Amino acid sequence: KAGVTQTPRYLIKTRGQQVTLSCSPISGHRSVSWYQQTPGQGLQFLFEYFSETQRNKGNFPGRFSGRQFSNSRSEMNVSTLELGDSALYLCASSSGWAGEYNEQFFGPGTRLTVL
Amino acid sequence: QKEVEQNSGPLSVPEGAIASLNCTYSDRGSQSFFWYRQYSGKSPELIMSIYSNGDKEDGRFTAQLNKASQYVSLLIRDSQPSDSATYLCAVNKRGSYIPTFGRGTSLIVHP
Repeated sequence: KAGVTQTPRYLIKTRGQQVTLSCSPISGHRSVSWYQQTPGQGLQFLFEYFSETQRNKGNFPGRFSGRQFSNSRSEMNVSTLELGDSALYLCASSSGWAGEYNEQFFGPGTRLTVL
Repeated sequence: QKEVEQNSGPLSVPEGAIASLNCTYSDRGSQSFFWYRQYSGKSPELIMSIYSNGDKEDGRFTAQLNKASQYVSLLIRDSQPSDSATYLCAVNKRGSYIPTFGRGTSLIVHP
């Protein structure tokens, strides 16, 4: 089975710009979660999509948004970029059906640098 | 109190020794527990899941869960330099699909 893929792997943007990141989950998985990882804050949950619906949401401002398509691929968008948005953005794939026993599998991540 | 706590380390062990990584959690109703390994500059990789009290073994890895004391640990036997990484503990609270991650423990295995 192919793993989780994320594109692009690296991005450099300037403040004020917007960015779109893409994630393709493991085949058959219906849930995609997005995380931001920084040295200072660790892994922080952004949101989770399941069957094209946002099922869970973290504590991030509205500049961070996402969506999921019918083939379970997901995109995450960050508008009006700030320097503090520089981070590793991780996508995690899971079946979405196992409730509390949900195992998540991470993609390689997108390294975003905001100048 | 943080929801999931780990000692940041680094934990330094000699090659061939047992590395013991610990994690405590605050929600007594938590049901599922995960250990991830993250190499520098890479993404987290799931190495163990544990749901019931006791030990679960997979190769050189053993996860131990004690719900009464609210801790979960990961033992790595015969540690190798290639085990040097940050180990993240993740906990699913009762009713939650989304794990809460600890900040991770850095492990260094020196030859």
